[in-house]
Amino acid sequence: EAQVTQNPRYLITVTGKKLTVTCSQNMNHEYMSWYRQDPGLGLRQIYYSMNVEVTDKGDVPEGYKVSRKEKRNFPLILESPSPNQTSLYFCASRQSGTENYGYTFGSGTRLTVV
Amino acid sequence: DAKTTQPTSMDCAEGRAANLPCNHSTISGNEYVYWYRQIHSQGPQYIIHGLKNNETNEMASLIITEDRKSSTLILPHATLRDTAVYYCIVRVPGYSTLTFGKGTMLLVSP
Repeated sequence: EAQVTQNPRYLITVTGKKLTVTCSQNMNHEYMSWYRQDPGLGLRQIYYSMNVEVTDKGDVPEGYKVSRKEKRNFPLILESPSPNQTSLYFCASRQSGTENYGYTFGSGTRLTVV
Repeated sequence: DAKTTQPTSMDCAEGRAANLPCNHSTISGNEYVYWYRQIHSQGPQYIIHGLKNNETNEMASLIITEDRKSSTLILPHATLRDTAVYYCIVRVPGYSTLTFGKGTMLLVSP
């Protein structure tokens, strides 16, 4: 089944403790991105990657890092999480070019930083 | 990307057609209209997209006006599982990022 898989689904952590949220897709998509969703603010893009070793900032990149060493994986790294990064996170991927099937989103990771 | 305007919420009876409008009066010639939906706290789901012709797939139909300044997403026989926030997004495919607005909360009731 074509899908984007995020792990973990739920995570509670403490301020300052480095964490990584993994994202993997099995559709051979070049493009991948990370979003966060907060009440009243909607979905906002954090980082995106057009292809392997090519990443760029989205609308809210502060406090996050990403890497794209291989096509299928696009981990989101929080080096020193803070409570304002408590949010629902989504990873997404799509074909490059015509985008005939739209973006495919993962099921989400609910992160709580205390 | 062109800005879109959608109603905040809509209601629909189960089994009836749900018609969700979207205004995009500043759309440019190479921008497509995309529709996504998000069922509570799940990842957004792609529904359909189009440039200027009406489109239909297994999920929905998309009607775009001749001047392309507005469109309507039609769910022909709404079910309770169609209750979700529906986002209308106008953009150039494959290049610009996918930017979500506030969308329309569709509530399908028995």
